[in-house]
Amino acid sequence: EIVLTQSPGTLSLSPGDRATLSCRASQRVYSNYLSWYQQKPGQAPRLLIYVASSRAAGIPDRFSGSGSGTDFTLTISRLEPEDFAVYYCQQYGSSPETFGPGTKVEIK
Amino acid sequence: QVHLQESGPGLLKPSETLSLTCTVSRFSITNDFYWGWIRQSPRKGLEWIATIYHSGKTFYNPSLRGRVTMSVDTSKNQFSLKLSSVTAADTAVYYCVRVDVVVVVSAGHFDHWGQGTPVAVSS
Repeated sequence: EIVLTQSPGTLSLSPGDRATLSCRASQRVYSNYLSWYQQKPGQAPRLLIYVASSRAAGIPDRFSGSGSGTDFTLTISRLEPEDFAVYYCQQYGSSPETFGPGTKVEIK
Repeated sequence: QVHLQESGPGLLKPSETLSLTCTVSRFSITNDFYWGWIRQSPRKGLEWIATIYHSGKTFYNPSLRGRVTMSVDTSKNQFSLKLSSVTAADTAVYYCVRVDVVVVVSAGHFDHWGQGTPVAVSS
């Protein structure tokens, strides 16, 4: 199965900052079938991005995804107070689908 | 907006069988999407368990194959999960999800989630 590694583990930033989160796969992700999720305490994860760069319905355009092959990035252009959360990447280019361990974006 | 709600016991003893049901509202499970289960624990993080289509076609995580069974009840707009021979390692929050499957790879992303139900396994 494909193993996903996310870095950094924690990102300490201020509102208004730009956040860059990395997700690296142990092997190429077929057709860039990679998604990103946001999870806040006590809530279920929420889909942000799918197929590496397509925003899910209702997701603000400050969230963007990029990358291909084994290296993918989630960028939050200007952090809003509600964006401080944990972010997970997930690959579905091959079964079983797998998730990364997450990056926590915390207030500096 | 699709709504998913998990139900089932929150506490089991080792070796028992976990049974969870997901009730879907505001969307028919016979529409062209798949449905699945994911769990989350501090030890293993987020883990995909299984996916089902309303026809009964299923995909299971190999790490759990042999212990897991999914089924669907279209008359109730529900789908279910059974996980046998549970141990403490199965303690987690269990989420039911809608899966946008890429058929050629038998895998997908998860575009709607239930709120999650905590399950603890303890003697």
